[in-house]
Amino acid sequence: NAGVTQTPKFRVLKTGQSMTLLCAQDMNHEYMYWYRQDPGMGLRLIHYSVGEGTTAKGEVPDGYNVSRLKKQNFLLGLESAAPSQTSVYFCASSYSRARGEQYFGPGTRLTVT
Amino acid sequence: DQQVKQNSPSLSVQEGRISILNCDYTNSMFDYFLWYKKYPAEGPTFLISISSIKDKNEDGRFTVFLNKSAKHLSLHIVPSQPGDSAVYFCAASLYSGGYQKVTFGTGTKLQVIP
Repeated sequence: NAGVTQTPKFRVLKTGQSMTLLCAQDMNHEYMYWYRQDPGMGLRLIHYSVGEGTTAKGEVPDGYNVSRLKKQNFLLGLESAAPSQTSVYFCASSYSRARGEQYFGPGTRLTVT
Repeated sequence: DQQVKQNSPSLSVQEGRISILNCDYTNSMFDYFLWYKKYPAEGPTFLISISSIKDKNEDGRFTVFLNKSAKHLSLHIVPSQPGDSAVYFCAASLYSGGYQKVTFGTGTKLQVIP
């Protein structure tokens, strides 16, 4: 099992460019999440999904969109990147009955110049 | 409003000694508390959890203590090993908006010195 994988691992964007981060899990988890990690701020939830075809906003959703067309994939989009979106992005997944135990991908380091 | 706080950004401990990582929270509605471990260039991995109705949970070298009256939890690692050197995130969860919402602390970087 690969667990949770993320593509790409690194990316540099110019302000105003767009991109999509890909997340895939092979554990048949119902729930998936996108977090960002910034220095001194821990992990903050951007968007989450409780099942195929459903998405919802998390703590810091502005500037991001998501889609979950297949159960195993969760995509995070930046339509017009801003320097404030420079961060490390983590995707995670979990069973619906989990009490907080989530499985994380290795992260994507994004720099917006 | 930071609901989960880890006030020590870093901690150094000698190999073989005990490591104690601390965490405070403000929301009494949290029903589970967790610790995650993160190595550089990797995602966090779940380490250990405790239900709000318990005060202690042990898993090998790792023990989590919960003091609900003080809204405080701690992670004890005994004995500490160099491979334990990582960033440890405290987290707390509660059921909200149709899922178990997890709030993370800012992390404590543990260095175990051989």
